[in-house]
Amino acid sequence: EPEVTQTPSHQVTQMGQEVILRCVPISNHLYFYWYRQILGQKVEFLVSFYNNEISEKSEIFDDQFSVERPDGSNFTLKIRSTKLEDSAMYFCASNLVSYNEQFFGPGTRLTVL
Amino acid sequence: SQQGEEDPQALSIQEGENATMNCSYKTSINNLQWYRQNSGRGLVHLILIRSNEREKHSGRLRVTLDTSKKSSSLLITASRAADTASYFCATDPSGSARQLTFGSGTQLTVLP
Repeated sequence: EPEVTQTPSHQVTQMGQEVILRCVPISNHLYFYWYRQILGQKVEFLVSFYNNEISEKSEIFDDQFSVERPDGSNFTLKIRSTKLEDSAMYFCASNLVSYNEQFFGPGTRLTVL
Repeated sequence: SQQGEEDPQALSIQEGENATMNCSYKTSINNLQWYRQNSGRGLVHLILIRSNEREKHSGRLRVTLDTSKKSSSLLITASRAADTASYFCATDPSGSARQLTFGSGTQLTVLP
């Protein structure tokens, strides 16, 4: 069964450094998403992406964040200058039709020191 | 309460018993989804119910939706130890199907 994959599973970085989190959505899906979950808190929406552009973004998704689909398979989230409060689990998701269920990847745990 | 709030926050039952979790939300929605998350892992989609549906079944899962009360319930019948996980409801506000708002979740523990 096809699934969303994410790499790395765990990323440790120093405050102020740039990180790129990678996702491979399910191959025929058209809508892509990033969410984050700070330890012990709710899963929060960051951004949705369709047809090579951002569809919606939350207040969390400020100028420090960017997303890209550099080729036909990868979907990346870049944090330009990480802060301590960016430490969280980051989940990528995708779906074929925006009103249908979203399929989530296993997540990348980002630790900012 | 905030959009997509579950109760109870924690539920502990014996294997074989049924588990019921509730979710309340505030805005109009297109659909409501339930997800499961094992500790430190990703989110597994369980079931989606659309705003024009009242009840849906999938295996041992039964979901109801009452749009007049802005609430949903998830029933897991004949629970197993493997059902131990956190369960979240997620809603997508009407007019925006491209973001999900998650609740705080119910931590279900099924004791063998």
